[in-house]
Amino acid sequence: NAGVTQTPKFQVLKTGQSMTLQCAQDMNHNSMYWYRQDPGMGLRLIYYSASEGTTDKGEVPNGYNVSRLNKREFSLRLESAAPSQTSVYFCASSETVGVSTNTGELFFGEGSRLTVL
Amino acid sequence: RKEVEQDPGPFNVPEGATVAFNCTYSNSASQSFFWYRQDCRKEPKLLMSVYSSGNEDGRFTAQLNRASQYISLLIRDSKLSDSATYLCVVKPFTGGGNKLTFGTGTQLKVEL
Repeated sequence: NAGVTQTPKFQVLKTGQSMTLQCAQDMNHNSMYWYRQDPGMGLRLIYYSASEGTTDKGEVPNGYNVSRLNKREFSLRLESAAPSQTSVYFCASSETVGVSTNTGELFFGEGSRLTVL
Repeated sequence: RKEVEQDPGPFNVPEGATVAFNCTYSNSASQSFFWYRQDCRKEPKLLMSVYSSGNEDGRFTAQLNRASQYISLLIRDSKLSDSATYLCVVKPFTGGGNKLTFGTGTQLKVEL
């Protein structure tokens, strides 16, 4: 199984350019997430989608938009990239929504390394 | 104060040593706790959940102290392959999907 697949793996942008990070999972999970990881900051949640058709802001949503295209796919868009958005972006999915069946296990993609000049 | 705090390390230990990491969390209402492992330039992966009674998985033991709001991970008989960054992870809310808060990680280097 592929699990969680992210594209592209690497991208260099100029300030002001736009781009979309794509994410797809083949595990039939309800929930999907976008995190960014920066040195000394840990993983921070940008947006998440608890189920198909819903999206919610996480800790650092400014400058980003998301689309839950269907159950499999969750994309992250940078409309006008800024150097502060240079980071490693991880998409993740999980099979639970409620606390009663929450395993706490997120399945991550391999990450997308974005540099904004 | 950060929601989840860890000593960044690195912890440099010889192969075969026992090493322990601690992590503190600020939200006393936190519900669930986990340790994730992240290899260099790779994605994080769940290592183990942390239960109130403590739990063990082979050479790894996790403990939770709710009164003092800390979580620990003990690794016995360290292997070279244990070299990685260990992320302390807390689920602070009930419901709301798997919204997890990650610590910045503790780096472990196991040496010959």
